[in-house]
Amino acid sequence: QVQLEQSGADVKKPGASVKVSCQASGYTFTGYYIHWVRQAPGQGLEWMAWISPNSGGTSYAQKFQDRVTLTRDTSISTAYMELNSLTSDDTAVYFCARAAASTWYFDFWGQGTLVTVSS
Amino acid sequence: DIQMTQSPSSLSASVGDRVTITCRASADIVRYVNWYQQKPGEAPKVLIYAASTLQSGVPSRFSGSGSGTDFTLTISSLQPEDFATYFCQQTYRTYTFGQGTKLVIK
Repeated sequence: QVQLEQSGADVKKPGASVKVSCQASGYTFTGYYIHWVRQAPGQGLEWMAWISPNSGGTSYAQKFQDRVTLTRDTSISTAYMELNSLTSDDTAVYFCARAAASTWYFDFWGQGTLVTVSS
Repeated sequence: DIQMTQSPSSLSASVGDRVTITCRASADIVRYVNWYQQKPGEAPKVLIYAASTLQSGVPSRFSGSGSGTDFTLTISSLQPEDFATYFCQQTYRTYTFGQGTKLVIK
């Protein structure tokens, strides 16, 4: 069965960086895009970026263009999201999600990773 | 960026009720709309994609309609497990979610 397993919760200080992993199983990793979506406490969903595990190509929301980097390691079917220059506004649950290029809806999601930014 | 205005932000209803949630896009997005359900502490789950296609495994009481700028999600007969938060999403130009509709028990 398709699964996206994310790394555990993390606490960071303002100005630091965080790297969240998303390990895929149960399907061909290179056959689907991986998207990253975040959700601040009690708030809605905010799309951040996607990566094509096949080509390594990426696309970032303008808001995060200068602070987020997506990478992948196809040998272990894992995608990574690194967010820099953290502030308290970055405190959120970060989700990875899978999408087919032909449909663009997110059919499987990771369990979410809580990142807390606090001094 | 294309904005998605979702309404209502909260909705009180009873088991068996028919409910409708609306999303309005700030530009023509054809039928590039998806609907998700999210329960507390869980990841969202896709219900409807491409405005009206039911995702495999999703009960048929869920349906979607619309095109252009106006879209609706309808639940024909609410079940206890349907009380959750619902989000629309446009995928026409990058990706944007609506603010969410919290469906609570009356």
